[in-house]
Amino acid sequence: EDQVTQSPEALRLQEGESSSLNCSYTVSGLRGLFWYRQDPGKGPEFLFTLYSAGEEKEKERLKATLTKKESFLHITAPKPEDSATYLCAPLSGSARQLTFGSGTQLTVLP
Amino acid sequence: EPEVTQTPSHQVTQMGQEVILRCVPISNHLYFYWYRQILGQKVEFLVSFYNNEISEKSEIFDDQFSVERPDGSNFTLKIRSTKLEDSAMYFCASSEAPLGEQFFGPGTRLTVL
Repeated sequence: EDQVTQSPEALRLQEGESSSLNCSYTVSGLRGLFWYRQDPGKGPEFLFTLYSAGEEKEKERLKATLTKKESFLHITAPKPEDSATYLCAPLSGSARQLTFGSGTQLTVLP
Repeated sequence: EPEVTQTPSHQVTQMGQEVILRCVPISNHLYFYWYRQILGQKVEFLVSFYNNEISEKSEIFDDQFSVERPDGSNFTLKIRSTKLEDSAMYFCASSEAPLGEQFFGPGTRLTVL
């Protein structure tokens, strides 16, 4: 059974204080790993897809990396508007379904 | 920028009633999905749909659930006889390719009384 664990569950940062979020996964035949941002009461907003170990992608203050067993979302000099829940979701085997983690709730204080 | 839309944004129904949740996927996307998120819990996969057929479904997607693409733009999720535990946010998503990025709609909040 596919498993996804995100840590920490919650993270409070001061504006400008960089940090990393972790996503550990156990899936059969990883086909890709997706990162989403979710604001309260809203749908997940697509951020990145990573397809192979060693791959990195960047968007503004966010950088996602992938290894064979985990992915990291690095947040550099965050701003209050980066406050949200960040979700990772690996895509396994021939499945077209995403298995979501519980997310990391990020709060960036001004 | 193209986006997935969903209606209604909030649906309140009585237990045992039928509900239909509607979605308009991104126009050039061919793969469609429904997910749900019970308050405070993970986003969970329900069903995927391609070429007018269900591709995959989860254990949650039992005989009470059905999906349909009634025309060239809409994608619907029907719950035949709602239960209290069906109360959740329901998200529609679409993708251009089977392993491509899935773009989510804003969700429909379903409240079953």
